[in-house]
Amino acid sequence: ETGVTQSPTHLIKTRGQQVTLRCSSQSGHNTVSWYQQALGQGPQFIFQYYREEENGRGNFPPRFSGLQFPNYSSELNVNALELDDSALYLCASSFTNRGPDTQYFGPGTRLTVL
Amino acid sequence: SQQGEEDPQALSIQEGENATMNCSYKTSINNLQWYRQNSGRGLVHLILIRSNEREKHSGRLRVTLDTSKKSSSLLITASRAADTASYFCATESSGGSNYKLTFGKGTLLTVNP
Repeated sequence: ETGVTQSPTHLIKTRGQQVTLRCSSQSGHNTVSWYQQALGQGPQFIFQYYREEENGRGNFPPRFSGLQFPNYSSELNVNALELDDSALYLCASSFTNRGPDTQYFGPGTRLTVL
Repeated sequence: SQQGEEDPQALSIQEGENATMNCSYKTSINNLQWYRQNSGRGLVHLILIRSNEREKHSGRLRVTLDTSKKSSSLLITASRAADTASYFCATESSGGSNYKLTFGKGTLLTVNP
């Protein structure tokens, strides 16, 4: 088990709603990355936060936004939910934003959009 | 977009046999990593191989990297039922300011007791 925790474990929302997912990084890690994993696919990079600043973004629309707090925990916010947003959302923390470095993944939040 | 493509998509073997999974990628990389995922849960880091390395071992795992062919393989020797999981390769590419991983679609490994 890594020291990365995520909440909630499961979440059901309806289309058009907003959702906030949370991630606590491993002790000593200042970088958090978020990934979306659709069923049967590999994780896709959403964005990364390094010392409270967004430090890179994947091919996701602006309704996906995030925050990182002074204790390096992080939130992923998704507005105007769509059915295709149903997925496992994974956060990963690392000691640095520069590779090579191991990213430690949390157990994920399973989001279902109806 | 997916960078790596794992092959095969699914693999079923008997306990004690070796399992080999392959990964191909498209762009130049800094390093390649292999992760394991049990039943749609979090990913567990297995091994990292840098672009200037050709082979790496960790316990029952052996990873090779051929940058000229843009491919990697993961060998699990003497497999166990507990090795049943999905295995993903992930690449870190050059040129970015952030350290992001680009994953393939994975290989589902089933080890039958």
